[in-house]
Amino acid sequence: GQNIDQPTEMTATEGAIVQINCTYQTSGFNGLFWYQQHAGEAPTFLSYNVLDGLEEKGRFSSFLSRSKGYSYLLLKELQMKDSASYLCAVRDLGSSYKLIFGSGTRLLVRP
Amino acid sequence: EAGVTQFPSHSVIEKGQTVTLRCDPISGHDNLYWYRRVMGKEIKFLLHFVKESKQDESGMPNNRFLAERTGGTYSTLKVQPAELEDSGVYFCASSQDQMAGREAFFGQGTRLTVV
Repeated sequence: GQNIDQPTEMTATEGAIVQINCTYQTSGFNGLFWYQQHAGEAPTFLSYNVLDGLEEKGRFSSFLSRSKGYSYLLLKELQMKDSASYLCAVRDLGSSYKLIFGSGTRLLVRP
Repeated sequence: EAGVTQFPSHSVIEKGQTVTLRCDPISGHDNLYWYRRVMGKEIKFLLHFVKESKQDESGMPNNRFLAERTGGTYSTLKVQPAELEDSGVYFCASSQDQMAGREAFFGQGTRLTVV
């Protein structure tokens, strides 16, 4: 089966650091994506990991451990505009390379 | 460069009616995907086009759903007849190719409400 778990909601303070975890059990693996989605808007690409380790991109970093089926998204220097849903998605190995999504984590950044 | 656009943004229809959703991918993107998010659930894959061909339609719920991509440009997703459980947000995404790391770009979705 396909299963991707991430916390439903998280709250953090402006200027702080937050880590959003994602664990996955999928029949195939061809990379893990993180997307950000503000309410009513399109999901937008944040990061991609296919090899173990940390990928850093400005205030956002993403980590992957394939042996543990685990990833996290790290957001530093939180800003109010970072309040959004964060979607963890595994890309399937099949010919369609479709994405298998978790339910998303709603992050609320407070002043 | 224009992003992925979807029309309409919202649609409210009665059970038994027909609705057609449209997606215009980013120009030059051969790969086009349809996904759906029903209330409280995760986004789920419906189908994948490569140009005008259906590559994978394993996620289509039943034969009330029909997707087309004539000419390999825009795509339509028709629901006929609509049922209450079809309510949700329908997302379209496109990607240039399937190279490792090449992300899919999403539209903002069509919110479908069947009453």
